[in-house]
Amino acid sequence: GQNIDQPTEMTATEGAIVQINCTYQTSGFNGLFWYQQHAGEAPTFLSYNVLDGLEEKGRFSSFLSRSKGYSYLLLKELQMKDSASYLCAVSPISNTGKLIFGQGTTLQVKP
Amino acid sequence: IAGITQAPTSQILAAGRRMTLRCTQDMRHNAMYWYRQDLGLGLRLIHYSNTAGTTGKGEVPDGYSVSRANTDDFPLTLASAVPSQTSVYFCASSEEGSTEQFFGPGTRLTVL
Repeated sequence: GQNIDQPTEMTATEGAIVQINCTYQTSGFNGLFWYQQHAGEAPTFLSYNVLDGLEEKGRFSSFLSRSKGYSYLLLKELQMKDSASYLCAVSPISNTGKLIFGQGTTLQVKP
Repeated sequence: IAGITQAPTSQILAAGRRMTLRCTQDMRHNAMYWYRQDLGLGLRLIHYSNTAGTTGKGEVPDGYSVSRANTDDFPLTLASAVPSQTSVYFCASSEEGSTEQFFGPGTRLTVL
C-alpha cells in the first residue's frame, strides 16, 4: 500500500524560499505529483516527477529520490498569493490513472 | 463549457435522502474520478472510471455508486445519505495514459 506524509502547516516570509517535504512508503509507483490548492478552490497541477532529480518550473521546483522515498517542493521568491495548501500524490504502479494523496501542507506566507 | 463542471455548488441534505452529484467534462478525457476531501484526511478516491462503460472502486467506495454511460458525464449517487458523508466532493478527469488530473470546482455537501 501507500503511506504519504507531509507537514500539516508551514509559515514563511514574502520573498523567502520554502521547502515542503513529502515522504512516502509504497510498494511501487509510476510518478509523484505536486498540486496547489487555494482555500475553497480545486487543486491545480504543479509538477510531476518520474525520475530522480530536480524538475524546475519558474519559481517552483520539485525533487524526487526514489531510493530514499522522499520528495520536496521548493518555492522561491515567495509571494502572498502562494499561501495555499500543497498536496503530494503518488500514482500507484497497479493503476496508472489513480492518485493517492497525502493530507496536504498548508503554507501561510506573511509580509 | 470549458473544462470540468460540477453541480450543485453546495447542498444541505437530510439523512436518508438520495442525492446525485453531477460532473461533466468537455475535454474528451477517457478517465474520470470522484474524491472527497475532509480536514486532516486530504483527498480520498471514492470511485473512478478509466473509460466509458467501466467503473472501479477507490479507497472509500461504501455508500456511493457511479455510472459512466458516456465519455462526458460521471455522476456520483448517495443512495441514502448519512452525516459522515458531509464533505467537499471533487470530480476530476485525465487523458488516457496520462496521470495529470484536472479537477472540477467541487460540491460542498452537508448531511444533517
